Amino acid sequence: ETGVTQSPTHLIKTRGQQVTLRCSSQSGHNTVSWYQQALGQGPQFIFQYYREEENGRGNFPPRFSGLQFPNYSSELNVNALELDDSALYLCASSLSGARGEKLFFGSGTQLSVL
Amino acid sequence: GQQLNQSPQSMFIQEGEDVSMNCTSSSIFNTWLWYKQDPGEGPVLLIALYKAGELTSNGRLTAQFGITRKDSFLNISASIPSDVGIYFCAGQKGGANSKLTFGKGITLSVRP
Repeated sequence: ETGVTQSPTHLIKTRGQQVTLRCSSQSGHNTVSWYQQALGQGPQFIFQYYREEENGRGNFPPRFSGLQFPNYSSELNVNALELDDSALYLCASSLSGARGEKLFFGSGTQLSVL
Repeated sequence: GQQLNQSPQSMFIQEGEDVSMNCTSSSIFNTWLWYKQDPGEGPVLLIALYKAGELTSNGRLTAQFGITRKDSFLNISASIPSDVGIYFCAGQKGGANSKLTFGKGITLSVRP
């Protein structure tokens, strides 16, 4: 149990729709990172949020966007869903300045795009 | 995007056996980490390595940070059924908050 909670756990959408995924970070953590994990692949970095601002982004198009709230929780929004967006979306929280060993992952949201 | 190289994709061993898995990259990483992921869960950190040549143990697990900083290996000794899962290596290039780059993972099966 990492203290990082994600909702919903599963979601089915159709191509072209929009989706919002939510993450509550572990108590005391002020940084949230989002990763996409396609079937049979390792997680891929989408972006990171710190102090409510994007603080680094991976190779994902602008239709992937996020928010961080004053309580450090976060949302991942994906517009104009494509079939290839089907994946497990993982949220990880950490304390700013912490190295990789201090990154705690949630159980993820499994998104299926039909 | 860039991924670290892990092979083979799957490994099958007998309970009680040792198993080694390695991870390679074409570029240098400053931190190497090994994670395990069970079905329906997020990755859980097993071992973190910070210095080239460093050898670190966590119970039956031992991992090493390659001298070239382009590789790492994980060894599991005396495997047990609960070792079943997907093992990922991950590297971190920049500072403490920089992104993790993951390998594709190795699925380990342990026969009782």
